Amino acid sequence: ETGVTQTPRHLVMGMTNKKSLKCEQHLGHNAMYWYKQSAKKPLELMFVYSLEERVENNSVPSRFSPECPNSSHLFLHLHTLQPEDSALYLCASSQGFTGVHYGYTFGSGTRLTVV
Amino acid sequence: TQLLEQSPQFLSIQEGENLTVYCNSSSVFSSLQWYRQEPGEGPVLLVTVVTGGEVKKLKRLTFQFGDARKDSSLHITAAQPGDTGLYLCAGVVGARTYKYIFGTGTRLKVLA
Repeated sequence: ETGVTQTPRHLVMGMTNKKSLKCEQHLGHNAMYWYKQSAKKPLELMFVYSLEERVENNSVPSRFSPECPNSSHLFLHLHTLQPEDSALYLCASSQGFTGVHYGYTFGSGTRLTVV
Repeated sequence: TQLLEQSPQFLSIQEGENLTVYCNSSSVFSSLQWYRQEPGEGPVLLVTVVTGGEVKKLKRLTFQFGDARKDSSLHITAAQPGDTGLYLCAGVVGARTYKYIFGTGTRLKVLA
């Protein structure tokens, strides 16, 4: 399997639930990202990991908790979410932060609905 | 706040027509990418431009990076329904490439 794989593709959860989103990349990249995409808004960066170390937490509420156990896997743990957290959550990977940036490879996303 | 403004926001055209999408900023970018995103999917990288004035072609798509590296354009010749989607530009300002800025997006619909 190649590219960036996200599971699940769709998730409906209640405000009191706990769930996790999973992302896996098979590209040998050493940086991974979580983005949130809401209707009519630009992509919002949530978290950045480089070589399993978090290098950016873009003022994200604590009800979102990332985890990067190794350079190929990234998780986003969710708990006590709000309806306004409903969105498409995208994982991406890239070669890293040195030299010319050649863009990201994105996963297909998880469509999250909070009820 | 650094912004990448895209225009137009929405575009609906007939198959076979030509179109141009613009991406503008007041910041200088060390590189700039264009992506296409289909509904319910993640963005797919189309091209990277690095040098001011650079022009790249991908079949019917022509990408240009401004001389000052503050703006870019995407021109599609003889648009097809398969070109329908959300087009995003994105760029890096400065040396720390995780400071990656996405444009506001252009939603294109090509009618058969």
